[in-house]
Amino acid sequence: EAGVTQFPSHSVIEKGQTVTLRCDPISGHDNLYWYRRVMGKEIKFLLHFVKESKQDESGMPNNRFLAERTGGTYSTLKVQPAELEDSGVYFCASSRRENYGYTFGSGTRLTVV
Amino acid sequence: GQNIDQPTEMTATEGAIVQINCTYQTSGFNGLFWYQQHAGEAPTFLSYNVLDGLEEKGRFSSFLSRSKGYSYLLLKELQMKDSASYLCAVRDPTRSYNTDKLIFGTGTRLQVFP
Repeated sequence: EAGVTQFPSHSVIEKGQTVTLRCDPISGHDNLYWYRRVMGKEIKFLLHFVKESKQDESGMPNNRFLAERTGGTYSTLKVQPAELEDSGVYFCASSRRENYGYTFGSGTRLTVV
Repeated sequence: GQNIDQPTEMTATEGAIVQINCTYQTSGFNGLFWYQQHAGEAPTFLSYNVLDGLEEKGRFSSFLSRSKGYSYLLLKELQMKDSASYLCAVRDPTRSYNTDKLIFGTGTRLQVFP
């Protein structure tokens, strides 16, 4: 089966601009997670979708971040407006059901300058 | 709060054995994962421990002691391709029933030399 696909792999934007990251989970995986790794820090949870519903968004840093999963398939994570501290690697992961283990994507490296 | 500690970097020689330790301080426990991540690639699942003891999978083994809040990943017969970051993660014990959040350590970067 195809893995978790993230697009773009790299993005460099200026402070104040908007960026949208996309994640295509493994087909049939209802659970989709977003995580982020800021330079030098650990990977941290952002949010969790079950199909199109946000199950847990307790890790979202602030209201500049908006995640959607229309139709329960792919997901987007929009940062608007981007700030310097948003730089990092954004990982998406999916699983077939809860407590079943994740498959991660390769991540999107976001650099805000 | 929840905290996971692991060494930042380790080095080892090809063919040797290396042990990467992970200690965790969490309000409860519901499972611990080890992932391998090569630079620029996705973290890939290595092992899962929820009960005390050793889980062996080929050249890789993982050990858990819940009473000590301690785990290690043991890599045998090291190969150059084992140079990667190794991430220790525990299931968030405060999570609600239907959210499977993980709390990660900062990862241990392992360099294998010939």
